[in-house]
Amino acid sequence: NAGVTQTPKFQVLKTGQSMTLQCAQDMNHNSMYWYRQDPGMGLRLIYYSASEGTTDKGEVPNGYNVSRLNKREFSLRLESAAPSQTSVYFCASRGLAGGEQFFGPGTRLTVL
Amino acid sequence: QKEVEQDPGPLSVPEGAIVSLNCTYSNSAFQYFMWYRQYSRKGPELLMYTYSSGNKEDGRFTAQVDKSSKYISLFIRDSQPSDSATYLCAMSLNYGGSQGNLIFGKGTKLSVKP
Repeated sequence: NAGVTQTPKFQVLKTGQSMTLQCAQDMNHNSMYWYRQDPGMGLRLIYYSASEGTTDKGEVPNGYNVSRLNKREFSLRLESAAPSQTSVYFCASRGLAGGEQFFGPGTRLTVL
Repeated sequence: QKEVEQDPGPLSVPEGAIVSLNCTYSNSAFQYFMWYRQYSRKGPELLMYTYSSGNKEDGRFTAQVDKSSKYISLFIRDSQPSDSATYLCAMSLNYGGSQGNLIFGKGTKLSVKP
């Protein structure tokens, strides 16, 4: 039981490049989330998916797109990366029974 | 005013000390309150989970919620160097749908010195 996994762990991009961050969970959870974490800013919600087939914007969605591929997988895409998107990105999932969110190990992204 | 306020620290204490970590919030409708622990370069992990007001104890950790004051606390007794981490408070309106989305404090960085 791996919980929430994220790939890649690290990535360096040049301004304007695109990339997709992958997230998968094996806990049969309905809800999945993408956060970014910046020094002094805490965790901020980018997008979430309350259930398979639905996605909604969070606090900081600009510059990102998401896809809920199936119940297990939720990807985050940067179409044209900007230095302001340099951050640590966390994926999380939550089941129906409670409020706890389980987090993945994170992806450290640097945009030059 | 931010919805959730948390002193970022850093907080440095000697081993064995009692640690008190706190958050205040502005939305009186929050019902679910959590504390997450995040070690350096790792993802957050849930430490304590409380519904509504009251206390909850788990080993050396005690979580308190005072809804009248809109204030939550995490106490760590007999602190250990392994408790050195960033502690994030989080809260939500409900547990389902968008109301289950968590609002996080910015985190308090704790260092426990041997």
